[in-house]
Amino acid sequence: DSGVTQTPKHLITATGQRVTLRCSPRSGDLSVYWYQQSLDQGLQFLIHYYNGEERAKGNILERFSAQQFPDLHSELNLSSLELGDSALYFCASSVVDSSGANVLTFGAGSRLTVL
Amino acid sequence: GENVEQHPSTLSVQEGDSAVIKCTYSDSASNYFPWYKQELGKGPQLIIDIRSNVGEKKDQRIAVTLNKTAKHFSLHITETQPEDSAVYFCAAHWGGPGDSWGKLQFGAGTQVVVTP
Repeated sequence: DSGVTQTPKHLITATGQRVTLRCSPRSGDLSVYWYQQSLDQGLQFLIHYYNGEERAKGNILERFSAQQFPDLHSELNLSSLELGDSALYFCASSVVDSSGANVLTFGAGSRLTVL
Repeated sequence: GENVEQHPSTLSVQEGDSAVIKCTYSDSASNYFPWYKQELGKGPQLIIDIRSNVGEKKDQRIAVTLNKTAKHFSLHITETQPEDSAVYFCAAHWGGPGDSWGKLQFGAGTQVVVTP
């Protein structure tokens, strides 16, 4: 168990629908990152939140949004779903190690299937 | 932006042999290069990383080398064991010095199969 909790583990929905994925970071970690893993695009950085504030954006579609709450859990909202949004969505939290770099710890992921 | 290429896509080795995975990156500003191992049904797990001011780092059977001039880095696994079977990803920090350290560009992954 990595300490990063993601729910739900699996989700099946239809095109056009909206879903919310939830992530609880490891205790004490202030940063939350969202990544998408698909067969054709691989692992892609979506967005980073630090202590409730957005810090960096990657290849995140406008139909997707995220937020981090005061208790540091984060939610990734995916709307107007398309078949191509089917993927594994990972959340990671981080701690700064002794050399000053953020070391990411990933959760087990949420598998989204859009039919 | 950063582009990371990883080779090979699959690697089969006999138990006890060595495995080598190579990655190249495009952004000379990248300064942090982690390697992740992903087992079936799990998220990626950091196994080793290297910063740009270091040319080589070793942790038991795992070592990583970095050539900043050539912009490539490699993962070496010695004395492979069946439990080393997994998908391995290289990654490079994406963005400038002030950018989020967790903003990583990943390679496409290498499926490693260790046969007894």
